Amino acid sequence: NAGVTQTPKFQVLKTGQSMTLQCAQDMNHEYMSWYRQDPGMGLRLIHYSVGAGITDQGEVPNGYNVSRSTTEDFPLRLLSAAPSQTSVYFCASSYQVDPANEQFFGPGTRLTVL
Amino acid sequence: GIQVEQSPPDLILQEGANSTLRCNFSDSVNNLQWFHQNPWGQLINLFYIPSGTKQNGRLSATTVATERYSLLYISSSQTTDSGVYFCAVEVWTDKLIFGTGTRLQVFP
Repeated sequence: NAGVTQTPKFQVLKTGQSMTLQCAQDMNHEYMSWYRQDPGMGLRLIHYSVGAGITDQGEVPNGYNVSRSTTEDFPLRLLSAAPSQTSVYFCASSYQVDPANEQFFGPGTRLTVL
Repeated sequence: GIQVEQSPPDLILQEGANSTLRCNFSDSVNNLQWFHQNPWGQLINLFYIPSGTKQNGRLSATTVATERYSLLYISSSQTTDSGVYFCAVEVWTDKLIFGTGTRLQVFP
């Protein structure tokens, strides 16, 4: 199993550009989520999904869109990048809806918005 | 929303020392987890512990749900224990809320 994979590892954008961060898992996990981590801070939940076709907002959803058309993939879209979105983005998954199950994290995407 | 506070924010140890990290939360939770983020950024789940005590090798954790805190014990610390330790809680909402972490540095 590859586990949770994220692409790209690094990305630099200009203000106003759009892009999609990719996340995939091959463990048949129902629950997937996106977090951002800013320097010296913990992770903050952006969006999450409890299964294909179902998504919901986390703590900091503004400026981001998600969709879940398959169990395996959970892309995060930045519609119009802003410098405040400079951060490290982590995708995570777990087997069941309840995140009480062990969370598996991807390696992260480091995004810089100029 | 629920507040999750961790202490101390920073901890410096010499190899072989023991340490205790604390996580306080402001409301009842149905889920608490401890994570380790290594110096390369990778996050690893250490414990799922909404209540009680668990042990895994040199690490153990205790959660006292009625008093709204959890403790992570690291015994005989090693340089590979360095990194940031996070606790995260869930309050019946499918959302996992993270604390701000404790940065641990272990020197030989």
